[in-house]
Amino acid sequence: EAGVVQSPRYKIIEKKQPVAFWCNPISGHNTLYWYLQNLGQGPELLIRYENEEAVDDSQLPKDRFSAERLKGVDSTLKIQPAELGDSAVYLCASSSQNTEAFFGQGTRLTVV
Amino acid sequence: GIQVEQSPPDLILQEGANSTLRCNFSDSVNNLQWFHQNPWGQLINLFYIPSGTKQNGRLSATTVATERYSLLYISSSQTTDSGVYFCAVPILSGAGSYQLTFGKGTKLSVIP
Repeated sequence: EAGVVQSPRYKIIEKKQPVAFWCNPISGHNTLYWYLQNLGQGPELLIRYENEEAVDDSQLPKDRFSAERLKGVDSTLKIQPAELGDSAVYLCASSSQNTEAFFGQGTRLTVV
Repeated sequence: GIQVEQSPPDLILQEGANSTLRCNFSDSVNNLQWFHQNPWGQLINLFYIPSGTKQNGRLSATTVATERYSLLYISSSQTTDSGVYFCAVPILSGAGSYQLTFGKGTKLSVIP
């Protein structure tokens, strides 16, 4: 069974440019998470979806970050415009009914 | 809110040694996960353990939910065990949904 798939694996962009990340969760998992991980820290939740609905986006910086999960399957996370401080690893995870969560390999973003 | 604390923050082991990693949490939880983040950044699921003890090869974990801690045991450590070990527990956020919240991790280095 395929795990959580994220793309791209790496992205380097100039500040003020837009960037988007894509996540395909494990088949049948209704819960999808986006996490941000800074160097030397644990992952921090940005947004959580139950099917198509964002049930917790309290930590998503809505002035520049947006996310969507059309049809309750794949999800995209967008940053526009990117800032230097957005350099980090962006992780996607999925679970079934809030049980065990599984993570993708992450997207390492570098903003220069 | 719930705090998740891990100890020790850093650990250096000689290959073949045993170790115990600890995760304390400040409130009652209904599940807990242990992850290993390898040097390439991938979060690998080790245990999904709300309570009791589980074993998987050289690794085992015990969660005592009533006393709010979990332990991860690594026996006969190998260099491939190096990386960061995270525990994560779900907390009820202000939005009324559960957030899988991570500790800051234990960085393990196993030297030959």
